[in-house]
Amino acid sequence: DAKTTQPTSMDCAEGRAANLPCNHSTISGNEYVYWYRQIHSQGPQYIIHGLKNNETNEMASLIITEDRKSSTLILPHATLRDTAVYYCIVKGGQGGKLIFGQGTELSVKP
Amino acid sequence: AAGVIQSPRHLIKEKRETATLKCYPIPRHDTVYWYQQGPGQDPQFLISFYEKMQSDKGSIPDRFSAQQFSDYHSELNMSSLELGDSALYFCASSLVWGWTGGGHTEAFFGQGTRLTVV
Repeated sequence: DAKTTQPTSMDCAEGRAANLPCNHSTISGNEYVYWYRQIHSQGPQYIIHGLKNNETNEMASLIITEDRKSSTLILPHATLRDTAVYYCIVKGGQGGKLIFGQGTELSVKP
Repeated sequence: AAGVIQSPRHLIKEKRETATLKCYPIPRHDTVYWYQQGPGQDPQFLISFYEKMQSDKGSIPDRFSAQQFSDYHSELNMSSLELGDSALYFCASSLVWGWTGGGHTEAFFGQGTRLTVV
């Protein structure tokens, strides 16, 4: 599975959009980009995933560049409850384990 | 909606003792994954099962073993516990159809078991 690079930490003001970048320059054609988050000591929570098209659900939007070498997770209106570690994970589409690398610690501040 | 259930939520054991962690996947999910998360670390993959057969293996110590039963629940058995085994242990489940070319759902995680070895 391709390796990902994320900033170690980010701050965001409550009510503003949080944009979390991820680089995955070695992604292969059949690999998806997944985003999970982990609120302190809770089980990781699925957010969204995509292959090459932009995706949106009730939690977030995922923007994938045309060359697929990077992506951005967007939380449109961050709240204090969005404070968590966000993991960008690249893996093949058919099942398979998630490999958690160093994620981004997002702090949403009042 | 039903979620992944892990038991117990907390467990305290002494060194060299044995522990058994249980995981009940979301109904109809056929795949279970186990992860270990030490203090200040990211979750590390241990082992997974698909349709009751071991499907993948990560950095799981030889002192640990796991299995998935006919009702799809899974147990992680840990023997000769060491202080360094103190961690959060997460179980996740997903539905995978046609392992080599079908589809899948995303993995859903339980709330974890916090194991403390003293």
